[in-house]
Amino acid sequence: AQSVSQHNHHVILSEAASLELGCNYSYGGTVNLFWYVQYPGQHLQLLLKYFSGDPLVKGIKGFEAEFIKSKFSFNLRKPSVQWSDTAEYFCAVDYNDMRFGAGTRLTVKP
Amino acid sequence: NAGVTQTPKFQVLKTGQSMTLQCAQDMNHEYMSWYRQDPGMGLRLIHYSVGAGITDQGEVPNGYNVSRSTTEDFPLRLLSAAPSQTSVYFCASKAGANYGYTFGSGTRLTVV
Repeated sequence: AQSVSQHNHHVILSEAASLELGCNYSYGGTVNLFWYVQYPGQHLQLLLKYFSGDPLVKGIKGFEAEFIKSKFSFNLRKPSVQWSDTAEYFCAVDYNDMRFGAGTRLTVKP
Repeated sequence: NAGVTQTPKFQVLKTGQSMTLQCAQDMNHEYMSWYRQDPGMGLRLIHYSVGAGITDQGEVPNGYNVSRSTTEDFPLRLLSAAPSQTSVYFCASKAGANYGYTFGSGTRLTVV
């Protein structure tokens, strides 16, 4: 079965700093890739997804992610974070079923 | 549309008790899944279903049963609750293979 690794457990940034969260997966076949966000006390919401085509995908709230097939990676980026981006971020890989990484907690200091 | 509805929102069980977590969706989605969320472990897949009458095991199925008699409902049964099943449980649904999941608001379960 596929597995998903998120490199950073907790990231602390100041407002306006740039963000990159790493995600690697183990499966070598064709997969669908996702990033979800969970704001404190809430359920998961879809940020963006990649199925095929342009490896640079744009999502909501200014987030984007780049699929690099050769590196089995799907890193999440945002050029300038805001205090409201404080949340937990989950990478997910979908083949026959959807598996999630352990999550990265992002804290943005005002 | 209500989306994905989970009940109850909170539950406390004694060790050995059984209960059913309810999940219903009104989007006519084929795929439904149950996840548990524990600190530092992300979401782990318990069981999933790709359509009515079809279910399969995920990463951590032991101690849980599911059935999918209708497209709308996907209940999760805890047969004999254990403290290790203390967690937040999320139900999710999606329209098909190439879609993202829509999540319910979760059930926080404590087993004492």
